[in-house]
Amino acid sequence: GAVVSQHPSWVICKSGTSVKIECRSLDFQATTMFWYRQFPKQSLMLMATSNEGSKATYEQGVEKDKFLINHASLTLSTLTVTSAHPEDSSFYICTAAGGQSNTEAFFGQGTRLTVV
Amino acid sequence: KQEVTQIPAALSVPEGENLVLNCSFTDSAIYNLQWFRQDPGKGLTSLLLIQSSQREQTSGRLNASLDKSSGRSTLYIAASQPGDSATYLCAVPGSGGYQKVTFGIGTKLQVIP
Repeated sequence: GAVVSQHPSWVICKSGTSVKIECRSLDFQATTMFWYRQFPKQSLMLMATSNEGSKATYEQGVEKDKFLINHASLTLSTLTVTSAHPEDSSFYICTAAGGQSNTEAFFGQGTRLTVV
Repeated sequence: KQEVTQIPAALSVPEGENLVLNCSFTDSAIYNLQWFRQDPGKGLTSLLLIQSSQREQTSGRLNASLDKSSGRSTLYIAASQPGDSATYLCAVPGSGGYQKVTFGIGTKLQVIP
């Protein structure tokens, strides 16, 4: 099946700094990517929908100025957590749509962010 | 709006037992359903993907079934091992195709040696 690579798999950063997470579709063009976040003891929740060449669509309650999403090419979407706070510590995962299947989502491995 | 529920939330079993994890979803117009495993502090590992046209999928000691009409899927783990201890997530893509995926909260499994 199609491969989605997410990098880094884990990162520790200091409060106030910014962290960039990359999501790449390795063998197909992903016109749409989705970013999710997992709060402790909760399910993964959709944060935003990233469309190549256009602005991301954010879910209600997600700060677009804090979670910057850029989908500059058909194979790369990035999520930047700006001015990170300890409460931003979470598990973030991307999924990508596209390729030969329009009924299957392909998942990155996820990124564990810890803000200290 | 799709809602995914997983029961039980947590499960503790002795090694060697066969066990069943349940996933239910409210919108039966799905294309597929996927089961994942998540180890503490780690990412997701895909276990099984069932297309809507399929009733079950098997991989080793794992068997997943899908009943679209009733909005249910089960993950059967045979002869459980301590290494199976993890959280198991059920994920359902949107009914419009590959759109937004709805995840269950997961079942946390502990297999006791």
